[in-house]
Amino acid sequence: TQLLEQSPQFLSIQEGENLTVYCNSSSVFSSLQWYRQEPGEGPVLLVTVVTGGEVKKLKRLTFQFGDARKDSSLHITAAQTGDTGLYLCAGDPGTASKLTFGTGTRLQVTL
Amino acid sequence: EPEVTQTPSHQVTQMGQEVILRCVPISNHLYFYWYRQILGQKVEFLVSFYNNEISEKSEIFDDQFSVERPDGSNFTLKIRSTKLEDSAMYFCASSARLGSEQYFGPGTRLTVT
Repeated sequence: TQLLEQSPQFLSIQEGENLTVYCNSSSVFSSLQWYRQEPGEGPVLLVTVVTGGEVKKLKRLTFQFGDARKDSSLHITAAQTGDTGLYLCAGDPGTASKLTFGTGTRLQVTL
Repeated sequence: EPEVTQTPSHQVTQMGQEVILRCVPISNHLYFYWYRQILGQKVEFLVSFYNNEISEKSEIFDDQFSVERPDGSNFTLKIRSTKLEDSAMYFCASSARLGSEQYFGPGTRLTVT
């Protein structure tokens, strides 16, 4: 069974601070997707990383896929209150047609 | 921008009743999925569907569950005899091809009383 562990589980920071969320596994994934989920809504896709070592930037968000394709990180620069939400990583093993979701990191950004 | 839609947004049913959750995937997508999320827990895979048949299913997806694509646009999940533990958010997702990004709908909150 493939597991994805995210850390930290909860993060409360002030606006303007930087943060990093980690997504780790002992399994290799062919790709890894990051989603953001608001309460009572579906996950919204932020980015997909495919190549080991790949770095993708989405405005203030930087996503990195580990060289071995077992882990990933999400770095937010100068967090804003609008970044508040649940961040989920989800891995695609490539041989199956399902995503394995991580445990989630709940981010709260306050003024 | 194309999106996955789901109906109803909230379904309340009594234990033992049948429910059908409906989804309209993104129109040019070929792969369809159902996931569920019990309150406070991880999103869990239920089933994937391609070319009018199930590609893969999880242990959760037992004989009580079935999926169907009754026409060219809808994708449904049926639970034949609901149990209290079926209470969860059910998400439909679709992707253009195997291994590509999956786009999720807003979910149906199923409450079994």
